[in-house]
Amino acid sequence: EPEVTQTPSHQVTQMGQEVILRCVPISNHLYFYWYRQILGQKVEFLVSFYNNEISEKSEIFDDQFSVERPDGSNFTLKIRSTKLEDSAMYFCASSESATNTEAFFGQGTRLTVV
Amino acid sequence: QQQVKQSPQSLIVQKGGISIINCAYENTAFDYFPWYQQFPGKGPALLIAIRPDVSEKKEGRFTISFNKSAKQFSLHIMDSQPGDSATYFCAASITYNTDKLIFGTGTRLQVFP
Repeated sequence: EPEVTQTPSHQVTQMGQEVILRCVPISNHLYFYWYRQILGQKVEFLVSFYNNEISEKSEIFDDQFSVERPDGSNFTLKIRSTKLEDSAMYFCASSESATNTEAFFGQGTRLTVV
Repeated sequence: QQQVKQSPQSLIVQKGGISIINCAYENTAFDYFPWYQQFPGKGPALLIAIRPDVSEKKEGRFTISFNKSAKQFSLHIMDSQPGDSATYFCAASITYNTDKLIFGTGTRLQVFP
């Protein structure tokens, strides 16, 4: 069964450092997302990406965040200067189309900022 | 208006019992209501979803009941099993102008043998 894969599974970084979280969406999917889940809290939308550009972003997704699809398979989330409050589980998701709204989630990257 | 309220926060059910999780929303523009199941250390996985043109959808032991006038929907898990122990999230989306999911706060379900 096709799946969304994320690397690394756990990333520890010092405050102020840049991190890049990587995702390989399902191959025929066109819509890509990042969500985050702070420990014990709900899953929150960060950004959606379609046709090589951001289609929507939340207020959480400020100038410190960026997304990129550097090649035909990877989808990355970069946090330029990490803060303690960026510690969370980050989930990548993808869906086939805007009308087929079943989003498939990866297993997540746990980001710990120290 | 964009919130989805979920209850209860946690639920303990005996094996074979019925688990019921409720969600409520305010924004009548929502037109897609999925339920996600999340096991520890894993990402959310779609369990079942409904659109507001039907009042109920059943897949195996899982049923969504949808009440459009009350702006509420619920997940019923019949014959609950220990393997159903997980966190369940309801969500909502406005599919015609956005594709983001608005998640509820989650319900931690524990099914004891």
